[in-house]
Amino acid sequence: DAKTTQPTSMDCAEGRAANLPCNHSTISGNEYVYWYRQIHSQGPQYIIHGLKNNETNEMASLIITEDRKSSTLILPHATLRDTAVYYCIVRVASGGSYIPTFGRGTSLIVHP
Amino acid sequence: DSGVTQTPKHLITATGQRVTLRCSPRSGDLSVYWYQQSLDQGLQFLIQYYNGEERAKGNILERFSAQQFPDLHSELNLSSLELGDSALYFCASSPLIPLQGIPEAFFGQGTRLTVV
Repeated sequence: DAKTTQPTSMDCAEGRAANLPCNHSTISGNEYVYWYRQIHSQGPQYIIHGLKNNETNEMASLIITEDRKSSTLILPHATLRDTAVYYCIVRVASGGSYIPTFGRGTSLIVHP
Repeated sequence: DSGVTQTPKHLITATGQRVTLRCSPRSGDLSVYWYQQSLDQGLQFLIQYYNGEERAKGNILERFSAQQFPDLHSELNLSSLELGDSALYFCASSPLIPLQGIPEAFFGQGTRLTVV
């Protein structure tokens, strides 16, 4: 199962882009990269996912390198409400199921 | 609002007791996951059910059990509680059948269990 590595913490000024990196060098060809975030003590919230191509939705953009060994989540205009722990995960298969397995994530602090 | 409902929001109980946490998945979601989050452990996967059947097990203690009912709601039973069981317990549900596409898991707001 592919593991991910993320910086423990980052900070960003409000209104600027927040770029959160994730390394997943052992990812296999059929594993997707998912991003979730967890605002203090709330349930994790799905943000975006991708396989090979870059993806964008109303919350964020996901840039995956061509070799798929790393990715970057981009919050284009960070707000104070984006302060949260961001988790980069790859799907773990167990008995035919895909189970989101969370590491420690990156604690993003958006400051005024 | 993710559409996943967990009750109760808070629960305080004594050591040795048994509690039941309840989860109502999003409408139409067949898969339910349970996670435990304590301060020093992060989010730990406990167990998954799909359409009433256990599908995958993670780091779930023998004192813990779960089930998914015909109406798809799920319950997590925690017995012989210890101080170390104090944690946030999250339920998540998933809209797609495993192996057919990649499901997105939607999490409830959790139940905060305090064992005293």
